[in-house]
Amino acid sequence: EAQVTQNPRYLITVTGKKLTVTCSQNMNHEYMSWYRQDPGLGLRQIYYSMNVEVTDKGDVPEGYKVSRKEKRNFPLILESPSPNQTSLYFCASSLSKDSYEQYFGPGTRLTVT
Amino acid sequence: DQQVKQNSPSLSVQEGRISILNCDYTNSMFDYFLWYKKYPAEGPTFLISISSIKDKNEDGRFTVFLNKSAKHLSLHIVPSQPGDSAVYFCAAVLGIQGAQKLVFGQGTRLTINP
Repeated sequence: EAQVTQNPRYLITVTGKKLTVTCSQNMNHEYMSWYRQDPGLGLRQIYYSMNVEVTDKGDVPEGYKVSRKEKRNFPLILESPSPNQTSLYFCASSLSKDSYEQYFGPGTRLTVT
Repeated sequence: DQQVKQNSPSLSVQEGRISILNCDYTNSMFDYFLWYKKYPAEGPTFLISISSIKDKNEDGRFTVFLNKSAKHLSLHIVPSQPGDSAVYFCAAVLGIQGAQKLVFGQGTRLTINP
């Protein structure tokens, strides 16, 4: 089944404790992206990657890092999480940078206390 | 600066009637628009799209209308069914640095009442 998977689905952590949210897709998509969803703000792009070893900042990159060492994986790293990073996070992928339709993972709900 | 706006946070419609969800945008450089549907505890899924060179696109019960002069698009669902209850996001596509960037609205929660 073609899908985007994220782990963990739910995470409660404390301020400053490094964490990684994994994202993997099995569709051989070139383009991957991370979003956060907050009430009243919709989905905002954090980082995106047009291909392996090619990443760039989205609209709200502060406090986040990403890497794209393999085509299928695009982990999101929070080196020192803070309470304002409490949010619902989605990973998405599309066939290429020119594709309009993106396929989303199920989401990761992160709470930072 | 919210470039894509969905001004109705929620909408309640009777089953069988028409649901109309609205979206306004400010950037005339958007060249493609999409609607996504999101159920609780799931990621958004693509529903329907429209190119900026068209004014209407239809797919079964779903029709999207685009009014470029008013910078407004709408999603019509006819007839509405209980399974349509979800959050709907409008998204616009902007070409930036060689990639297609999606800019999302805030979402509208649609509830279909039996």
